[in-house]
Amino acid sequence: AQTVTQSQPEMSVQDAETVTLSCTYDTSENNYYLFWYKQPPSRQMILVIRQEAYKQQNATENRFSVNFQKAAKSFSLKISDSQLGDTAMYFCAFMKRFGGAQKLVFGQGTRLTINP
Amino acid sequence: NAGVMQNPRHLVRRRGQEARLRCSPMKGHSHVYWYRQLPEEGLKFMVYLQKENIIDESGMPKERFSAEFPKEGPSILRIQQVVRGDSAAYFCASSPSGTSGNTIYFGEGSWLTVV
Repeated sequence: AQTVTQSQPEMSVQDAETVTLSCTYDTSENNYYLFWYKQPPSRQMILVIRQEAYKQQNATENRFSVNFQKAAKSFSLKISDSQLGDTAMYFCAFMKRFGGAQKLVFGQGTRLTINP
Repeated sequence: NAGVMQNPRHLVRRRGQEARLRCSPMKGHSHVYWYRQLPEEGLKFMVYLQKENIIDESGMPKERFSAEFPKEGPSILRIQQVVRGDSAAYFCASSPSGTSGNTIYFGEGSWLTVV
């Protein structure tokens, strides 16, 4: 079974700073997908970024980028030039590429607060 | 193009009552997933359905919980004889197919409170 671990329950930074959220996972699969979802106070789950494990290049979406280290099973999220609207819970998630339903396995989350 | 629609957004039930949560997937999506989020936790997979079929219910509690996705109409998550421990946010998600890696789109969640 796959597990996802987020070791930082809470983080807090000033706006415009850069912040990195950690995520590690455990799997015996070789092909899979990794995701970061954001859950703002409205509680909706919003996809931030998606990484395909068979691609070497780290995914980037505007101010959001990942550092994907497959051998270390690490998938951190970097938020550059952080904004007040980035305040949210952030969840790392894993999905197998083959063999079964599109089942997302989530970490426990990191509560990120951006201070003015 | 409307997103995944869930209703009700908030539901209060007394212990022993039934709760019914509804989910309409995004237009063109035929795959529906239900996840549960307990307070201060991540989402946990419950069930995956296609029209008229349950594909994977490995995350569903063995008793009191059921799900369906009929040919016509929304997907329904039904919880019978609710207990306080059922209080949680229930998220529905949909995707255009079951091909792994397709982006899964989440609804805004239904918050169940059992009193």
